[in-house]
Amino acid sequence: NAGVTQTPKFRVLKTGQSMTLLCAQDMNHEYMYWYRQDPGMGLRLIHYSVGEGTTAKGEVPDGYNVSRLKKQNFLLGLESAAPSQTSVYFCASRRDSKQETQYFGPGTRLLVL
Amino acid sequence: GNSVTQMEGPVTLSEEAFLTINCTYTATGYPSLFWYVQYPGEGLQLLLKATKADDKGSNKGFEATYRKETTSFHLEKGSVQVSDSAVYFCALSVTTGGGNKLTFGTGTQLKVEL
Repeated sequence: NAGVTQTPKFRVLKTGQSMTLLCAQDMNHEYMYWYRQDPGMGLRLIHYSVGEGTTAKGEVPDGYNVSRLKKQNFLLGLESAAPSQTSVYFCASRRDSKQETQYFGPGTRLLVL
Repeated sequence: GNSVTQMEGPVTLSEEAFLTINCTYTATGYPSLFWYVQYPGEGLQLLLKATKADDKGSNKGFEATYRKETTSFHLEKGSVQVSDSAVYFCALSVTTGGGNKLTFGTGTQLKVEL
């Protein structure tokens, strides 16, 4: 039982490049989330999903897209990376609506030059 | 809207000192309150939580009491250890139809020295 895993751990992009961050959970959780963490700002929600095939916008969705084609995976895409997207990205999952605890992955550090 | 305010860090303490990290919140409805901890290089882990007024959450010697009258959820520990050095996040969650999103404070870094 690996919990929540994220791929890759670290990536450097040039402005305008695209990439996809992968989040996987093996706990059969319904809900999944993508956050970004920036100094002095805590964690901010980018997008989330309440079940396979569903996604919704969070607090800071601009410049990102997501997909939840399989229950265990939640992908975060950057179509055209910008320096403002330099951040640490965390994925989290939650069992269902009755359980509030979110379980976090180890994070992906992204640097956009 | 919902928001969480935490005391700014870093907080530097000697081992065995008493710890308080202040957290206050504003929320519509009746939130659940959480403390998450982030050790260096790792993701966030749930430390403790409280789901209604006057509840006390506790774990690993840490405690926090849900105070509705002062809208606070201060984190305390009687005797900190070097291994407690981490960033601590206060957060709230309000039941909605949209996934019960967490709202985080900005985090407080704790450094414990020998």
